[in-house]
Amino acid sequence: ETAVFQTPNYHVTQVGNEVSFNCKQTLGHDTMYWYKQDSKKLLKIMFSYNNKQLIVNETVPRRFSPQSSDKAHLNLRIKSVEPEDSAVYLCASSLGQGDYAEQFFGPGTRLTVL
Amino acid sequence: QQKVQQSPESLTVSEGAMASLNCTFSDGTSDNFRWYRQHSGKGLEMLVSIFSDGEKEEGRFTAHLNRASLHVSLHIREPQPSDSAVYLCAVSEGYAQGLTFGLGTRVSVFP
Repeated sequence: ETAVFQTPNYHVTQVGNEVSFNCKQTLGHDTMYWYKQDSKKLLKIMFSYNNKQLIVNETVPRRFSPQSSDKAHLNLRIKSVEPEDSAVYLCASSLGQGDYAEQFFGPGTRLTVL
Repeated sequence: QQKVQQSPESLTVSEGAMASLNCTFSDGTSDNFRWYRQHSGKGLEMLVSIFSDGEKEEGRFTAHLNRASLHVSLHIREPQPSDSAVYLCAVSEGYAQGLTFGLGTRVSVFP
């Protein structure tokens, strides 16, 4: 049963445009994450957010910025997209931030930059 | 930073036969090792999480961790066609650090 929701499912845009992806979790979790899954299917952590505070930023380009209105939502904005931004972006959430906190993933948003 | 490698890249098994997947990691100080699977076009589903050396079973999925060998494996008992998916090994990087994933093993189960 899906409890981490992402919109849109797909997005096609041109180089230089701004895009925003939404993520909502209904699990009552307090930590949310964004991962990028590239064309080789490698998943890499981008951000994690806890109580509206950025915990980790894995040196992603500055054109990426997470945005949170409350602990149930964590959106991802990309200013001026570039071709290498084409990927699947996965949102996840967990209760707590410890090593053992189970992360639940959304279905992903596939971005194609032309 | 932790490096995670999985083998084989792909695996084809007959329904009912045991499927075995391997994962090696570079840093044995991590506390938590997980196996996820991803069906085509879907999100990740966690199968089993293991913290200490030895074996942990969750239904038809069994993980074996050997920290000294920097190795964790996943065995799928009596695989079914619905188990066809990409299986991902993940290592926790620590408090609020997220997970480091391998590239995955694509498993195909044929009747």
